[in-house]
Amino acid sequence: DIVMTQSPDSLAVSLGERATINCKSSQSVLYSSNNKNYLGWYQQKPGQPPKLLIYWASTRESGVPDRFSGSGSGTDFTLTISSLQAEDVAVYYCHQHYSIPFTFGPGTKVDIK
Amino acid sequence: EVQLLESGGGLVQPGGSLRLSCAASGFTFSGYAMSWVRQAPGKGLEWVSVISYSGGETYYADSVKGRFTISRDNSKSTLYLQMNSLRAEDTAVYFCTKGGGTSCYSSMGYWGQGTLVTVSS
Repeated sequence: DIVMTQSPDSLAVSLGERATINCKSSQSVLYSSNNKNYLGWYQQKPGQPPKLLIYWASTRESGVPDRFSGSGSGTDFTLTISSLQAEDVAVYYCHQHYSIPFTFGPGTKVDIK
Repeated sequence: EVQLLESGGGLVQPGGSLRLSCAASGFTFSGYAMSWVRQAPGKGLEWVSVISYSGGETYYADSVKGRFTISRDNSKSTLYLQMNSLRAEDTAVYFCTKGGGTSCYSSMGYWGQGTLVTVSS
């Protein structure tokens, strides 16, 4: 199974400042035949279902603010919130859908400092 | 507008069975893989199962293999999860999710609100 790890477990950032979340997979999730990383990022606010923010590691889902960006390839990935807003308080999960069983990272909780 | 409405959750005794349903609307259901993902109270997300657009491929997490069965009825735009031999550790909110296309190997662009399954005596 591919194990997903995230760091940090939690972080507190001032409004308007940058938040960076890291995700690492135990094996590469880059599919060589199409050069796509099978890695997504999800945001979950309290009492709500998760919401897809980023797919293929760096493609922003329609309607997601451009302050959210994803980067990385292979085994190391990053979700960046360039200017944290109050509505971004949530838990963020990375997810690999490269090999079954699909797996999620443990989540990173983002709060306002 | 894509909508996924789960139902069928509730309280069940250990060893019991439950069938979850997910009624889909707002898209061509038969054109997309669908998944179930669960979240135990206060915990993270756990992928449970995925089914291809046609129903011809199904895959499961090791934790539910042999006990849970995913299926779909494309004529009714409905996804199912039959859960047998339920254990306390199956207690969770179960989310129905829509894949990005026909392939099982896609991200999950839409999620239902979830249905709570509680396994307890």
